[in-house]
Amino acid sequence: DQQVKQNSPSLSVQEGRISILNCDYTNSMFDYFLWYKKYPAEGPTFLISISSIKDKNEDGRFTVFLNKSAKHLSLHIVPSQPGDSAVYFCAASWYNNNDMRFGAGTRLTVKP
Amino acid sequence: DVKVTQSSRYLVKRTGEKVFLECVQDMDHENMFWYRQDPGLGLRLIYFSYDVKMKEKGDIPEGYSVSREKKERFSLILESASTNQTSMYLCASRTLAGGQGYQETQYFGPGTRLLVL
Repeated sequence: DQQVKQNSPSLSVQEGRISILNCDYTNSMFDYFLWYKKYPAEGPTFLISISSIKDKNEDGRFTVFLNKSAKHLSLHIVPSQPGDSAVYFCAASWYNNNDMRFGAGTRLTVKP
Repeated sequence: DVKVTQSSRYLVKRTGEKVFLECVQDMDHENMFWYRQDPGLGLRLIYFSYDVKMKEKGDIPEGYSVSREKKERFSLILESASTNQTSMYLCASRTLAGGQGYQETQYFGPGTRLLVL
């Protein structure tokens, strides 16, 4: 039972354009959401997070939007750069649990 | 910088062998985790450890056991490896020192790609 879903396994974007990665979740108990980025042969690294009390969090070129009513979050990368090419994992957690639930990942390719 | 290291990047084992995957973190983190990553399934939690000698099952503990005798080291053991345990194994650690508990960031090692023949 995948409680966190990333329905697009891959996304290709031109350099300089916006990349939008989407994530849906089913468990209404989730109250903290994270995005991790993974390069080949490396472990995932934390990118950005958002608490359920917010609907937007921004960090430089990266913005995460949360729509609680739709149980949907998205990661926007503007402008996209070739170095952003990686697999992006959406993850969710809640106060009563120590672990996180991860989506299947979306492979982003930014073309020069 | 937090550093999480895993003993091997690649391993090839035979069915029925006992396999040890080692993970070491250098930041005195209380929590440590073992995940496996499979295509289309993302990261799934096998076991995690609150602290030394403490462990809890994750979503897919069957066929695995763990050991945490020292705070910095968390071992994953495949008692009798099977072909369906061929996967990428990722270790992670997390501090509780910030007081945010589950909102603290997990730091991952580079992963061990295990092939069971």
